Order: sequence, then C-alpha cells, then structure tokens
Amino acid sequence: SQTIHQWPATLVQPVGSPLSLECTVEGTSNPNLYWYRQAAGRGLQLLFYSVGIGQISSEVPQNLSASRPQDRQFILSSKKLLLSDSGFYLCAWSRRGGNQPQHFGDGTRLSIL
Amino acid sequence: AQRVTQPEKLLSVFKGAPVELKCNYSYSGSPELFWYVQYSRQRLQLLLRHISRESIKGFTADLNKGETSFHLKKPFAQEEDSAMYYCALMGNTDKLIFGTGTRLQVFP
Repeated sequence: SQTIHQWPATLVQPVGSPLSLECTVEGTSNPNLYWYRQAAGRGLQLLFYSVGIGQISSEVPQNLSASRPQDRQFILSSKKLLLSDSGFYLCAWSRRGGNQPQHFGDGTRLSIL
Repeated sequence: AQRVTQPEKLLSVFKGAPVELKCNYSYSGSPELFWYVQYSRQRLQLLLRHISRESIKGFTADLNKGETSFHLKKPFAQEEDSAMYYCALMGNTDKLIFGTGTRLQVFP
C-alpha cells in the first residue's frame, strides 16, 4: 500500500533562518506531488506541484521554493524565512492521470519567531 | 475562474439531526468534485467523490450541475462526525481547488 511521510511534525525557526521540509512517498511510482499551506479560515492553498523529477510548478509568488530530487521525494525550502511564512504545511500525492484523488501527509506546523 | 465556496464556517447540530454541508463551485467545464474530512489530530483524508456515487460513513453528495452545487448530507448525525470538512474541485488539470472548510460540531 502507498504511504506518505512528512517531517518534521513541528518546527520553530527564527526570522531569517533557512527552511527545509521533506516529504516522501512509498509504494507507488511517478506520483504527482503537491505542497499546500493550510491557514485557519482560508482553506488549503496550493503552493507547488510536480509531475516528475525536477519539474516544479509554482502557484503563488512567495518566499518559498520546492524541489524534487528523486521520484518520490519533495522538498519545501526557503533561504530566509519571514514571519508570514508561519503556518501549517501539507504534502500530498496522487496517481498520474485525470481526476485522481490526492492523499495527504500529517503536515508540519511551522512557527516563525 | 475555478472557485469553491463553502458559506458556513461552523455548523452545529445535535446527535441524530440531519446534516447538510453546503458547497458551491464555479467552473465552466465538467468538474470532478470531492469531499475531504479532517478529524481531530488526524490527517486530511478523502471522504467521497461524486464520480463514485457511493455513501461513506452515511454521507452522500450529489452533483447538481444546474445549481453548481455538491452539498454533503447525512440523515442522522453522530458525535464522531465532528470534524473539519473541505469541498474540493478538480478541473482539467491534476490540481485541486479547495473551499475554506466547514467545521461540523455534533453535540450529544
């Protein structure tokens, strides 16, 4: 069966520090991968998605970037965190092909001080 | 533009009462619609999708193209149904557009 792992679960970082959140998927090949930010009262906002190694699409302009160095690994990064980067970040995967449901990780709660 | 609207932030009912969580969408083509649920301290998970036409945990949702709605319904709410519910739309890409969510509280 397929599983998705996301870590760390919580992270407290000072303003201006770098960030690296990691997500890996097991039990499937060539998945689509997604990074979301979940804000209270605002639902889930898609940040990045990837259909293959090295292929990243950014949905919103921001201080963050994403990379996919391996087929089942998706990384969310920042060189210098801002206070506004605080939030709950979710990674998700789906099978290729149309109208496939997405499956989510447990999320990372990021607090910027 | 693709958009999903969930007009209620919070819906409170008593156990055994009927529940309807509203979802309206804006999309010019034929969308695929989903309901996701997040129980306390659990990950966001798929509840149901309209193409499956199935009932999960007593919940059903019918796509009404005329009203562009995909409301989630359950005839008799249970306390364990208390959770955050998100409606989501997928158009002609593999990207999901989520609504802002509705928190369902079921009181004993």
